[in-house]
Amino acid sequence: GAVVSQHPSRVICKSGTSVKIECRSLDFQATTMFWYRQFPKQSLMLMATSNEGSKATYEQGVEKDKFLINHASLTLSTLTVTSAHPEDSSFYICSATDDRGTYEQYFGPGTRLTVT
Amino acid sequence: AQSVSQHNHHVILSEAASLELGCNYSYGGTVNLFWYVQYPGQHLQLLLKYFSGDPLVKGIKGFEAEFIKSKFSFNLRKPSVQWSDTAEYFCAVNYMIYNQGGKLIFGQGTELSVKP
Repeated sequence: GAVVSQHPSRVICKSGTSVKIECRSLDFQATTMFWYRQFPKQSLMLMATSNEGSKATYEQGVEKDKFLINHASLTLSTLTVTSAHPEDSSFYICSATDDRGTYEQYFGPGTRLTVT
Repeated sequence: AQSVSQHNHHVILSEAASLELGCNYSYGGTVNLFWYVQYPGQHLQLLLKYFSGDPLVKGIKGFEAEFIKSKFSFNLRKPSVQWSDTAEYFCAVNYMIYNQGGKLIFGQGTELSVKP
């Protein structure tokens, strides 16, 4: 149980275009979802926290107009990278917690974004 | 501010050697503690977690960790490593702060290379 999927697993886009990444909890209801960014050989950097039906909370330094997060249902959150630039190339990972109050996060497999 | 520190950036061991990876967190009251592993090209997997109770926790693949509250530490150990343990290891801490849900703070990661 507690499986989180992401789609797509890899995406290449041209500079200036927008890219949407989906994060789904497959077998549980995710009260909270998190979006991380991971640079090569580095740790995970939390970008934002989203709760179903409410606005995402962004970490300091993360542009909310550039990284649009929508948590439309208890099983789906999306991250849209708007007007992508090469410096946005990275590995984006989502995670989700259920409503059991343990705060354990279940991680998705990640999405490799390359902006050319 | 809450922080997590992993002392070793890169550890190189021979097979059958014992492993201990350090993790310290900043003072902040009640915490939940996690160790995650990321094998090359794969997503994060939970190795073990500590919420409460016995401070010595056992995880998958022969790993264990000990929570020492007085030292704000949660070191990961394995008596005898295998080549297949080559991976990146992340310590993560959830500071149980009201209204921040399951927000995790990750350490910088430790790259473990096991020589056959």
